[in-house]
Amino acid sequence: DIQMTQSPSSLSASMGDRVTITCRASQSIATYLNWYQQRPGKAPKVLIYAASNLQSGVPSRFSGSGSGTEFTLTITSLQPEDFATYYCQQSYSTPSITFGQGTRLDIK
Amino acid sequence: EVQLLESGGNLVQPGGSLRLSCAASGFTFRDYAMAWVRQAPGKGLEWVSAFSGGGENTYYPDSVKGRFTISRDNSKNTLYLQMDNVRADDTAVYYCVKLSHVVVVTSTVYFDYWGQGTLVTVSS
Repeated sequence: DIQMTQSPSSLSASMGDRVTITCRASQSIATYLNWYQQRPGKAPKVLIYAASNLQSGVPSRFSGSGSGTEFTLTITSLQPEDFATYYCQQSYSTPSITFGQGTRLDIK
Repeated sequence: EVQLLESGGNLVQPGGSLRLSCAASGFTFRDYAMAWVRQAPGKGLEWVSAFSGGGENTYYPDSVKGRFTISRDNSKNTLYLQMDNVRADDTAVYYCVKLSHVVVVTSTVYFDYWGQGTLVTVSS
């Protein structure tokens, strides 16, 4: 199985800050990488698919980049509703789909 | 509006069985692959089964293969997960998830809609 490792596991930031979350794959996955946001007590929702494509309805302050084994999710100008846990997920080796362990974003 | 409503979560003893259901609406159910993804308390996400749209292809990770069975009834717009011989480490919230494509085995697939989840607790 392809292993996905996110860093950091948690971070604290203030409203209006810019933050970057990194996801690394144990082998090349081209651009077959998706990002999800999970607010406390809620189901996950997709933010970015295929590394850099913004899902319909997701604010433009979210962006994704990367290819091969290293990917980033960037959030500019943090809003209160952005404080959540973020997961990356590879779809390169479907049906064997794997997620990163998650990155929790807290208010500083 | 896409809606996925899970039901069937409960307390079950180790070695027992449980069947989860997911009622789907707001899209042409038969045209999309569907899946179950679980989340143990305080932990991350784990894919546990998938069923292609328009066909009979099913997929499982090794952790549940031989114990869990995914099925769908396109006439009722409903997805199921039969869980047999459950273990304590099957304790989790189980999410019903719609995939972005009709097939599962394509690298461009992603999970585009999620239900609110149903809690399964395995304990004696």
